[in-house]
Amino acid sequence: DAEITQSPRHKITETGRQVTLACHQTWNHNNMFWYRQDLGHGLRLIHYSYGVHDTNKGEVSDGYSVSRSNTEDLPLTLESAASSQTSVYFCASSGTGDGYTFGSGTRLTVV
Amino acid sequence: GQNIDQPTEMTATEGAIVQINCTYQTSGFNGLFWYQQHAGEAPTFLSYNVLDGLEEKGRFSSFLSRSKGYSYLLLKELQMKDSASYLCAVRGRGSYIPTFGRGTSLIVHP
Repeated sequence: DAEITQSPRHKITETGRQVTLACHQTWNHNNMFWYRQDLGHGLRLIHYSYGVHDTNKGEVSDGYSVSRSNTEDLPLTLESAASSQTSVYFCASSGTGDGYTFGSGTRLTVV
Repeated sequence: GQNIDQPTEMTATEGAIVQINCTYQTSGFNGLFWYQQHAGEAPTFLSYNVLDGLEEKGRFSSFLSRSKGYSYLLLKELQMKDSASYLCAVRGRGSYIPTFGRGTSLIVHP
C-alpha cells in the first residue's frame, strides 16, 4: 500500500545545530508540503513543492529550507535550530485530487 | 489572505448530534476541507466542499454556504472515538494550498 512516512518520530537537538527531517511518500504525488503545528496556531505552512526541483516558501519559512531531487522525498532542514522551532512537524502530499495525506509527524525539541 | 474562525472547544454526549461551525473570509474561494485529528496523530481527510449544499458521508456531513462564508461539520450518533480535534481549511481562488483554522477540540462524554 502507498504511504507517506516521516523520520525520526521524535528528535531532541541543541540550539545552533543543523537538523534534517525526512519525508518519503510512495503515492507518486507531485505535490508535497511541510507544516508545523503549535498550540494556539494550528497548522502553518513552512515550504512546499509542486514537483522535482520546484520549492516555494510558505507562511513561516524563515530558518528552514527544503530540496526536491526526486518525486518521493522532501527533506526539511533547520539550518541552525532555535528554541522557537520546537514543534510538531507534519509532511503531507497530494496528487491531482483535493485531499492531503499527512505523515505521522515528527516531534522536535530544541534545547 | 484568509481568516478562519472555529470554536476552540465543544463537548457533547455519546449518541447525540453535534455541529461544528467554521466561518471564513477569503479573497475568492476554491474549496473548503474538514480534517479530523486525534491527539498525537496526523490529520485525516473527512470532506471537501466546493459547491453550496450538504455532503453526507455516513455519520458525518459537511455543509457549505459560499455567500455567507460559512460551513459546518455535522456528526451524528456520536461515539467516544469521535473525541478529536476538527480542522477547517479554506483554499482561496487561484491557490492550490488551503489555510487551516486553529481547530475545534471535541470532547465526547458518556
